[in-house]
Amino acid sequence: GQNIDQPTEMTATEGAIVQINCTYQTSGFNGLFWYQQHAGEAPTFLSYNVLDGLEEKGRFSSFLSRSKGYSYLLLKELQMKDSASYLCAPLGYTDKLIFGTGTRLQVFP
Amino acid sequence: DSGVTQTPKHLITATGQRVTLRCSPRSGDLSVYWYQQSLDQGLQFLIHYYNGEERAKGNILERFSAQQFPDLHSELNLSSLELGDSALYFCASRVEDGYTFGSGTRLTVV
Repeated sequence: GQNIDQPTEMTATEGAIVQINCTYQTSGFNGLFWYQQHAGEAPTFLSYNVLDGLEEKGRFSSFLSRSKGYSYLLLKELQMKDSASYLCAPLGYTDKLIFGTGTRLQVFP
Repeated sequence: DSGVTQTPKHLITATGQRVTLRCSPRSGDLSVYWYQQSLDQGLQFLIHYYNGEERAKGNILERFSAQQFPDLHSELNLSSLELGDSALYFCASRVEDGYTFGSGTRLTVV
């Protein structure tokens, strides 16, 4: 299955922490990517989880539970430039990346 | 700079026409993935080529076709264009820690 669910929009305040959740049907997927995309631009890589658990990379962390088909992206110390869409993308066994519709995050001062 | 090159950056054409979008992967990358992103929509997987062979096909219309050439560049051909084909078209290469995307071609059908 390829149902990938993310909240459509989120808002947060500069300096705060925000968690963006993603759920997906577990069959046929092996690992999960998170990408950031500013409007009209190419997606840029944020993180890749192949094993269960938390991966931390600077202000961004990503968590994966493969058995539950659940991931989240945690953004700390939010900055205005973090206003963008965040795309959850499970990696299929056929080596193709399937994207959710993305979560549009707006950071306010 | 991702190293993945897409041309043209912008394309405006009329309904019923045919266009060709081009993608050159990073030097040495054998894979090319094509995605379509309509306004305020997610990235829709179209097709994947690896070393000249089609590996996977997504929701690609019959009016669309693609190929990957011996020098590994790829072309996405869109024919009998409709207004709804207006979108950003991205190609991507598979790299060690993920996928890297080109800057996209913005197609506007009028």
